[in-house]
Amino acid sequence: EDKVVQSPLSLVVHEGDTVTLNCSYEVTNFRSLLWYKQEKKAPTFLFMLTSSGIEKKSGRLSSILDKKELFSILNITATQTGDSAIYLCAVDTGTASKLTFGTGTRLQVTL
Amino acid sequence: KAGVTQTPRYLIKTRGQQVTLSCSPISGHRSVSWYQQTPGQGLQFLFEYFSETQRNKGNFPGRFSGRQFSNSRSEMNVSTLELGDSALYLCASSLAWGADTQYFGPGTRLTVL
Repeated sequence: EDKVVQSPLSLVVHEGDTVTLNCSYEVTNFRSLLWYKQEKKAPTFLFMLTSSGIEKKSGRLSSILDKKELFSILNITATQTGDSAIYLCAVDTGTASKLTFGTGTRLQVTL
Repeated sequence: KAGVTQTPRYLIKTRGQQVTLSCSPISGHRSVSWYQQTPGQGLQFLFEYFSETQRNKGNFPGRFSGRQFSNSRSEMNVSTLELGDSALYLCASSLAWGADTQYFGPGTRLTVL
């Protein structure tokens, strides 16, 4: 059975800290790995990763994929209270389960 | 460009009833996927429609069904509701079948009493 595991489950940091969120996966077929941010309702797309070792960057957020070790990390530098959200990792297996999601990491950034 | 829209945003039903949820994808997007999100199970894939045809289906009972219209709008139906069907139902659209990036709507919060 395809599986995506995220850690930690939750995290509380102070504004200005740097955080690293982890996503590991075991799937029978891999097409891509996606990161989403979910604040209230709709998950919003952050990154899509398909190749190992190529960092994707958007402002203070960056992500990288290791297809050999089957994991990805999402880094957020200089965190702000607006970064508080659930961060979801999903793997596109290209099969009936289309996107297999992890249960998410709940990040809370305090002043 | 308008995002994915879902209606209604909230629904309260009782056990045994049926419900229909609606999703309008981003203009130009032809693939619509449905997901169920619960605190215990996270986001789980229900099904995907493209060109009015179901292309993929997740591991949900036959009480969950859907369809897609020629304008790419999609509906999802759940019959004989159970308490465990209480969840946030999210719809996501993508350009085409097999496209990796999916854009999510705000969801429909269904409560079954």
